[in-house]
Amino acid sequence: EVQLVESGGGLVQPGGPLRLSCAASGFTLSTYWMHWVRQAPGQGPVWVSRIKPDGTYTTYADSVKGRFTISRDNAKNTLSLQMNSLRAEDTAVYYCARGPSGYPDSWGQGTLVTVSS
Amino acid sequence: EIVLTQSPGTLSLSPGEGATLSCRASQSLTRNYLAWFQQKPGQPPRLLIHDVSIRATGIPDRFSGSGSGTDFTLTISTLEPEDFAVYYCQQYGSSVLTFGPGTKVDF
Repeated sequence: EVQLVESGGGLVQPGGPLRLSCAASGFTLSTYWMHWVRQAPGQGPVWVSRIKPDGTYTTYADSVKGRFTISRDNAKNTLSLQMNSLRAEDTAVYYCARGPSGYPDSWGQGTLVTVSS
Repeated sequence: EIVLTQSPGTLSLSPGEGATLSCRASQSLTRNYLAWFQQKPGQPPRLLIHDVSIRATGIPDRFSGSGSGTDFTLTISTLEPEDFAVYYCQQYGSSVLTFGPGTKVDF
């Protein structure tokens, strides 16, 4: 069974950093694209970033480019999202999801990030 | 960035009825790269359909997708009680992936 468990969410001040992690199990992480998708309260999902199976290629939404960095450690079955210069509008539940490259086909339960002073 | 619009915003129906949900893209999608997701309160989205019309594993055949270019449709042939939820389309025809704003199916 595919399992994706996010961690690292919490309350952070504007301008601060936060690092999210996702523990993957039940499948071979090294053969899948991985995505981060976020969803603000009461809003629809917004794709944030994706990373190629071997980690050599990444893409980002314009709203986070230059501030967020996606990475993976296939040996440790983990996906990460380093978020810097956080803004109030980054407040959302952040989901880790497995790909193919174009769309998430399995999702974690999410971790809440709140950016507020 | 490709913008997706969905209509209607809310669809009020009863179990046993059929549902037709629309998704329109701001530009023609490369190779019809469009997916549909279902989301229920407190849960992550669930993949229903990819590549316009291919059902994901375990999705019942009352769900079907169609369309091409800029206009796409998700059809639910006969609504079951568990189908009342919010439905999102998502395009992957460009390097930046985008979701539509959603259609809520309620009764």
